[in-house]
Amino acid sequence: QVQLQESGPGLVKPSETLSLTCSVSGGSITTYYWSWIRQPPGKALEWIGYINYLGSTDYNPSLKSRVTISRDTSKNQFSLNLSSVTAADTAVYYCARDRGPHSYFDWWGQGTLVTVSS
Amino acid sequence: HSALTQPASVSGSPGQSITISCTGTGSDFNYYYVSWYQKHPGKAPKVMIYEVTNRPSGVSKRFSGSKSGNTASLTISGLQAEDEADYYCSSYTFTNTLVFGGGTKLTVL
Repeated sequence: QVQLQESGPGLVKPSETLSLTCSVSGGSITTYYWSWIRQPPGKALEWIGYINYLGSTDYNPSLKSRVTISRDTSKNQFSLNLSSVTAADTAVYYCARDRGPHSYFDWWGQGTLVTVSS
Repeated sequence: HSALTQPASVSGSPGQSITISCTGTGSDFNYYYVSWYQKHPGKAPKVMIYEVTNRPSGVSKRFSGSKSGNTASLTISGLQAEDEADYYCSSYTFTNTLVFGGGTKLTVL
């Protein structure tokens, strides 16, 4: 059983950087792909990007200029940094394991709400 | 701009079957990699179908997937109250971007 848990600030000011960490247990992040997905209130899911077992990354082109996904294999964690945030970045952020490439998300975190507001 | 279009809502009575469609913008998508997710409010999504027709272990056989041209479909047979949720399709573009559909709210009457 793989478990993922998101952590980070629930409130971020406009123009600042949103930073979240996903802690993984029951499986190693040096296997598979590991993604971030978000859902703004009342809106659809949006894929943000992934980091894979090699440490390679890929991002949604619509967010690419502001997103960085990294990992700490010693802690079995991967992280999301989203810069220059605006109110449009307010969302529930999920981390998930992707059986990838071109596969599906089989394990998800519970999600964490991040609100962008001054 | 590549997009997957789903109906905003569908409904059905217990025991009936319903189908949710997911139509992609022309030739942008690799339709072999369509997945379907069920999402209850306040919960994480759960995969119900992957690669168009495959059902992960543990998912009820009442859920099935299909594809015709640039439209994928999720069919739920023997509708149950617990099936009431939002459903999202997803697929990859040929530039390897994952796109989700807008979501469909299923109401069990």
